[in-house]
Amino acid sequence: GQQVMQIPQYQHVQEGEDFTTYCNSSTTLSNIQWYKQRPGGHPVFLIQLVKSGEVKKQKRLTFQFGEAKKNSSLHITATQTTDVGTYFCAGRTSGTYKYIFGTGTRLKVLA
Amino acid sequence: DAGVTQSPTHLIKTRGQQVTLRCSPKSGHDTVSWYQQALGQGPQFIFQYYEEEERQRGNFPDRFSGHQFPNYSSELNVNALLLGDSALYLCASSLRNQFYEQYFGPGTRLTVT
Repeated sequence: GQQVMQIPQYQHVQEGEDFTTYCNSSTTLSNIQWYKQRPGGHPVFLIQLVKSGEVKKQKRLTFQFGEAKKNSSLHITATQTTDVGTYFCAGRTSGTYKYIFGTGTRLKVLA
Repeated sequence: DAGVTQSPTHLIKTRGQQVTLRCSPKSGHDTVSWYQQALGQGPQFIFQYYEEEERQRGNFPDRFSGHQFPNYSSELNVNALLLGDSALYLCASSLRNQFYEQYFGPGTRLTVT
């Protein structure tokens, strides 16, 4: 079945350093969404990518969708302690309604 | 504008029992999806309801069933509980178009002993 993997599983960074998480799907995706889940919280929607090669920015966050629509990345510039949490990608294939969540990358920011 | 609400917050059940979890979607949303999130893992899709019908189902046994009411609220029922059913159950609401973002509720933490 369809699988969505993320690397790394964990990342510890010093405050001010950059951070990147990568998402890889075993199948071509129709669209991909990114979510952030704080410890003890629930996933919160960050952004959606639909087009091949699409790049979107939200302040210090940059999201990319691969040309083949099988991979995606989230890059955070100059991390802050408020960036702590687990980042999930969630992909959907054409003709379906379900989103397959990735394994997540847990980010810890050291002050 | 109320977001997605879920009840109860926490629940402890014994193996073999049955449980019902409830979800009220965000105002204006007509689609409800249910997810199971085990500790340290990503949410896994259980099923999605739209227009009071199950529109798509994930890889979960028939012990998991649901319902959507005319006001778009939804229930998740799990029969014959197993220890492995212990998890955070998340409800997410969205508009019917699958390209819309999902808004998650705070979840129900189910512990099966």
